[in-house]
Amino acid sequence: EAQVTQNPRYLITVTGKKLTVTCSQNMNHEYMSWYRQDPGLGLRQIYYSMNVEVTDKGDVPEGYKVSRKEKRNFPLILESPSPNQTSLYFCASSFRSGGWYEQYFGPGTRLTVT
Amino acid sequence: AQTVTQSQPEMSVQEAETVTLSCTYDTSENNYYLFWYKQPPSRQMILVIRQEAYKQQNATENRFSVNFQKAAKSFSLKISDSQLGDTAMYFCAFFTTSGTYKYIFGTGTRLKVLA
Repeated sequence: EAQVTQNPRYLITVTGKKLTVTCSQNMNHEYMSWYRQDPGLGLRQIYYSMNVEVTDKGDVPEGYKVSRKEKRNFPLILESPSPNQTSLYFCASSFRSGGWYEQYFGPGTRLTVT
Repeated sequence: AQTVTQSQPEMSVQEAETVTLSCTYDTSENNYYLFWYKQPPSRQMILVIRQEAYKQQNATENRFSVNFQKAAKSFSLKISDSQLGDTAMYFCAFFTTSGTYKYIFGTGTRLKVLA
């Protein structure tokens, strides 16, 4: 089954404790991306990757890191989480077909930083 | 910088009626893509419909259609014969391939279909 998986689905952590949210896709997509969703703000792009070893900042990259060592994986790293990073996070992957970049989203990760 | 505006935070519609969700955007680029995504209470993001900026013909997917006005930078979504399963948050999104490959989402419109 074609899918984007994220782990964990729910995470409660404390300020300053490093964490990683994993993202994996099995569709051989080149493009992968991370978003955070906050009430009243919609989805905001954190980082995206056009291919292996190619990453770039979205609109809200501060406090986050990513890496793309393999095509299928795109982990999101919070080196020192803070309460303002409490949010719902989505990973997405995308392919180009006739010019389209249709995104497939993971199920989301609810992160709470206390 | 590109922006996407959804001016209707909440809307409701009677079952079987038609509703239109508005979206405006701002860009100086000529080549881009526009999307509508649906997020039901399950939180899963689902693509509803997409439009290439260079195509003048409005996209249609079953009961969903768009009114794309490039000069006015408007991209509204029309849902015909509304069903209870259409109850969801709807997000308009802009995607550029000119130099950067960023997605910009609007703040969303929460649609409730009433029985």
